[in-house]
Amino acid sequence: NAGVTQTPKFQVLKTGQSMTLQCAQDMNHEYMSWYRQDPGMGLRLIHYSVGAGITDQGEVPNGYNVSRSTTEDFPLRLLSAAPSQTSVYFCASRGRGRETQYFGPGTRLLVL
Amino acid sequence: QQQVKQSPQSLIVQKGGISIINCAYENTAFDYFPWYQQFPGKGPALLIAIRPDVSEKKEGRFTISFNKSAKQFSLHIMDSQPGDSATYFCAAGIYSGAGSYQLTFGKGTKLSVIP
Repeated sequence: NAGVTQTPKFQVLKTGQSMTLQCAQDMNHEYMSWYRQDPGMGLRLIHYSVGAGITDQGEVPNGYNVSRSTTEDFPLRLLSAAPSQTSVYFCASRGRGRETQYFGPGTRLLVL
Repeated sequence: QQQVKQSPQSLIVQKGGISIINCAYENTAFDYFPWYQQFPGKGPALLIAIRPDVSEKKEGRFTISFNKSAKQFSLHIMDSQPGDSATYFCAAGIYSGAGSYQLTFGKGTKLSVIP
């Protein structure tokens, strides 16, 4: 049981480039979320999903897209990277009726 | 805007001492209050959580104290150890329908326990 996995661990992008951050969980959790963590800002919710085919916006959704075609995967897409998107990104999942949210190890993104 | 205010930003405690981190919230609809612990280079992990129907919850050296009327809750780490050195986040959860909790996090407290 690998839990929540994220790839890549680290990525450098140039302004305007696009990329997809991958997130997968093997716990059959219905709920998955993406957060970004910036110094002194805590964790801010970007997008979340309550099940396959269902997604919704969080606190800071601009510049990011998500989709949820399977229960296991919840990729986060940056369409046109900006320096303001330099951050550490965490994916998390939670089972229905459960309160504990499990976080992945994070992806550190640097946009030049 | 839902907010959770956490203090202090950083905390230095001697080994064996008590670490205390405080959080305050505004929205009385919050009904789940977890604390997460994060070590450098790792994702946050749930440490302990409380519901508003109890005033205190203890798990080992970690205790949450909850004051519903003041809309405040705090984490106490007794007999703090160097291995407790990490960043701690409080959060508040609100049921948003479809069986989903949305968590609002505090900005974090970096705890350093010195020998």
